Amino acid sequence: ETGVTQTPRHLVMGMTNKKSLKCEQHLGHNAMYWYKQSAKKPLELMFVYSLEERVENNSVPSRFSPECPNSSHLFLHLHTLQPEDSALYLCASSQTGDYGYTFGSGTRLTVV
Amino acid sequence: AQKVTQAQTEISVVEKEDVTLDCVYETRDTTYYLFWYKQPPSGELVFLIRRNSFDEQNEISGRYSWNFQKSTSSFNFTITASQVVDSAVYFCALSEAPGGSYIPTFGRGTSLIVHP
Repeated sequence: ETGVTQTPRHLVMGMTNKKSLKCEQHLGHNAMYWYKQSAKKPLELMFVYSLEERVENNSVPSRFSPECPNSSHLFLHLHTLQPEDSALYLCASSQTGDYGYTFGSGTRLTVV
Repeated sequence: AQKVTQAQTEISVVEKEDVTLDCVYETRDTTYYLFWYKQPPSGELVFLIRRNSFDEQNEISGRYSWNFQKSTSSFNFTITASQVVDSAVYFCALSEAPGGSYIPTFGRGTSLIVHP
């Protein structure tokens, strides 16, 4: 496989559930990102991992918990979400010092 | 702080028309990068172009062309002879060079609908 792969593509979860989103990149990049895309809103940067360390956390509620076990994998653990958290969650990767980003296809999350 | 404005929320054209998507940016840095991405209904953001602030030459790639004007802080994108497959949301983004945050700031996107 090449590029950035996100699973699942679609997820419906209740407010009391716990689920995880997965992102995997096969590009040899050393930085990975989570973005949230809500309807009618700009892309919101949530988390940045560089060399497997979290370097940015944009005031994201604690019900979102990222994990980066290695440079190829990134997870977003979800618990006790709210309906307003329904959105497209996009993962991206890049090589630090290079300004090109490669995005995954996203996970469409619906919280009911 | 960096900012990207895409004033056009939605544009609707008929196939074969030319269409220009506007992008205006703000930055205090003299060194920066500008990008355009395409997001088709499948959801993935597809990289189209990256331009650094020192290169004001216009670029053409097939039916796509980009007009970078530092004097007006604009980086507009034109699709010539549009096709239905061009229907997507297009995002302009700005990334400041080392010394500032390298993480891009995205505009709100312009939804392009091309009718057959």
